[in-house]
Amino acid sequence: GAVVSQHPSRVICKSGTSVKIECRSLDFQATTMFWYRQFPKQSLMLMATSNEGSKATYEQGVEKDKFLINHASLTLSTLTVTSAHPEDSSFYICSARDRADTQYFGPGTRLTVL
Amino acid sequence: QKEVEQDPGPLSVPEGAIVSLNCTYSNSAFQYFMWYRQYSRKGPELLMYTYSSGNKEDGRFTAQVDKSSKYISLFIRDSQPSDSATYLCASWNSGGSNYKLTFGKGTLLTVNP
Repeated sequence: GAVVSQHPSRVICKSGTSVKIECRSLDFQATTMFWYRQFPKQSLMLMATSNEGSKATYEQGVEKDKFLINHASLTLSTLTVTSAHPEDSSFYICSARDRADTQYFGPGTRLTVL
Repeated sequence: QKEVEQDPGPLSVPEGAIVSLNCTYSNSAFQYFMWYRQYSRKGPELLMYTYSSGNKEDGRFTAQVDKSSKYISLFIRDSQPSDSATYLCASWNSGGSNYKLTFGKGTLLTVNP
């Protein structure tokens, strides 16, 4: 099956710093990539949808200036959490959609903001 | 009413049992249905992907969709402790301009040895 990687898998940072998370589709070109957030024992919450070369579409209630998304190529998308605060601590998961409209998920990044 | 409803469980079964996981959905336009398995602290893994009504089998897993009743099921035969995970159902509508998966809340399954 298709593989999506995320880096880093875990990050701990101080409040006020920015954190960048990378998402890569390793063996296919992703027409669209998605960023989700998941709190403990809860389902996935879609944050934004990004297409290569265009601006991301954010879900209602997600601050676009806080969660910067860049989709530089058909295999790479990045999420930057700017000026992170403890309430931003969460599990962030990306996914990539292939040309058959199947969505594959990355392993997730656990962010802890102190 | 949420577009995809799923009983969060938890569901606990003995090893070897047949497990039935279910979801209902409200959007008649949904045509594609997926089941994902998510282990603790990991990203979801695609298990089954079906289009419209019918059954699809893959090893010990069978996915079933009944569009007339808007009911999605996943059956696991001869369940194993390694099947212990959260199972998420998801749907989407290819006719919409905005491709977006709609997820259920997930059902936590524990298979006891």
